[in-house]
Amino acid sequence: SQQGEEDPQALSIQEGENATMNCSYKTSINNLQWYRQNSGRGLVHLILIRSNEREKHSGRLRVTLDTSKKSSSLLITASRAADTASYFCATDSGRGSTLGRLYFGRGTQLTVWP
Amino acid sequence: DTAVSQTPKYLVTQMGNDKSIKCEQNLGHDTMYWYKQDSKKFLKIMFSYNNKELIINETVPNRFSPKSPDKAHLNLHINSLELGDSAVYFCASSQGGPAGDTGELFFGEGSRLTVL
Repeated sequence: SQQGEEDPQALSIQEGENATMNCSYKTSINNLQWYRQNSGRGLVHLILIRSNEREKHSGRLRVTLDTSKKSSSLLITASRAADTASYFCATDSGRGSTLGRLYFGRGTQLTVWP
Repeated sequence: DTAVSQTPKYLVTQMGNDKSIKCEQNLGHDTMYWYKQDSKKFLKIMFSYNNKELIINETVPNRFSPKSPDKAHLNLHINSLELGDSAVYFCASSQGGPAGDTGELFFGEGSRLTVL
């Protein structure tokens, strides 16, 4: 299946440090998205990167995409306690994929200690 | 204003009962979804509707029946609940990306279903 897999499953860091999470997937994609989920809440979209893009920034977030390795990374710089959440990557299955069919991984649980 | 709202937030019920979860979006999106998140946080699509038409039915048991009375609403009815149905169910909506692909999804806060 196309299901994305995030790595590591859990990450624990101090405030001010950078956090890097990785995502691997199996088939071609149109785009890859990263979402954040606070405990007991819904998912919130962070950033979308298209298959023809290699890097994208949004505030303290930096996303890279390597389609040759079928992998992506999410970097959060200067982390804050409020960044504590689960982070998920989601992919479609490329050309001809059904609109709306996104494949999510199990997420990386990030804990940022004050 | 809440963009995607779903009710109820919590459902506790006995095996064999029937329950419904309602979802409404005020974003003007054409596509709505139901996702299921299990206890290990694995999130999987169940259904999607585009302008009230069923687009995705991801091999979900037919005890689950989605209904979309209009493009702003997508409800989920579950018959004969089983223990394995316990999960968090998320409603979401999207407008689609500029390239005709799947763009950003907007999620509701989730409905936690516990079947005893």
